[in-house]
Amino acid sequence: EPEVTQTPSHQVTQMGQEVILRCVPISNHLYFYWYRQILGQKVEFLVSFYNNEISEKSEIFDDQFSVERPDGSNFTLKIRSTKLEDSAMYFCASKQGQSSYNEQFFGPGTRLTVL
Amino acid sequence: GNSVTQMEGPVTLSEEAFLTINCTYTATGYPSLFWYVQYPGEGLQLLLKATKADDKGSNKGFEATYRKETTSFHLEKGSVQVSDSAVYFCALSLSTGANSKLTFGKGITLSVRP
Repeated sequence: EPEVTQTPSHQVTQMGQEVILRCVPISNHLYFYWYRQILGQKVEFLVSFYNNEISEKSEIFDDQFSVERPDGSNFTLKIRSTKLEDSAMYFCASKQGQSSYNEQFFGPGTRLTVL
Repeated sequence: GNSVTQMEGPVTLSEEAFLTINCTYTATGYPSLFWYVQYPGEGLQLLLKATKADDKGSNKGFEATYRKETTSFHLEKGSVQVSDSAVYFCALSLSTGANSKLTFGKGITLSVRP
């Protein structure tokens, strides 16, 4: 069964460093998402991506964040200069169709720890 | 704004016990409602969904009914198993297309004892 994959499973970085979190969505999906969950808090929407551009982004997704689909299979989230408060689990998701009740398929997440 | 509120956890039950996990929502419009489950070490998986008032979603013995009058989508199972131990997230989505982001509740951890 097709699945969304994410690498790495755990990333440790120093404050101020750049990190790139990688995702491989399901191959025939068209809509892509990043969410994050700070420990003990809600899963929060960061950004959605369709047709090679950002469709919607949350207030969290400031200038330090960017997304890219560089090669038609990977979908990446870059944090340019990490802060301590960026420590969280980051989930990638993808969806095939445009309806709100089409299922979003999630990856297992990348745990980012900023020291 | 839109939000989802789940009951506080964690929840610990014995095998074969009855499960209810409460979920209420606030939304501007008529959302689709979802329950996602996360097993240890895995991503979030869709458990069930309902797209309009009075719809009942069901899967793997779990059920939830979309109650517009009480803005609720409580998750129930008549007899839980050890394998149901996981984190359960209630969520809603309002828009279509690429803007159909999910708004999640905080999640609740369920542990089922043999």
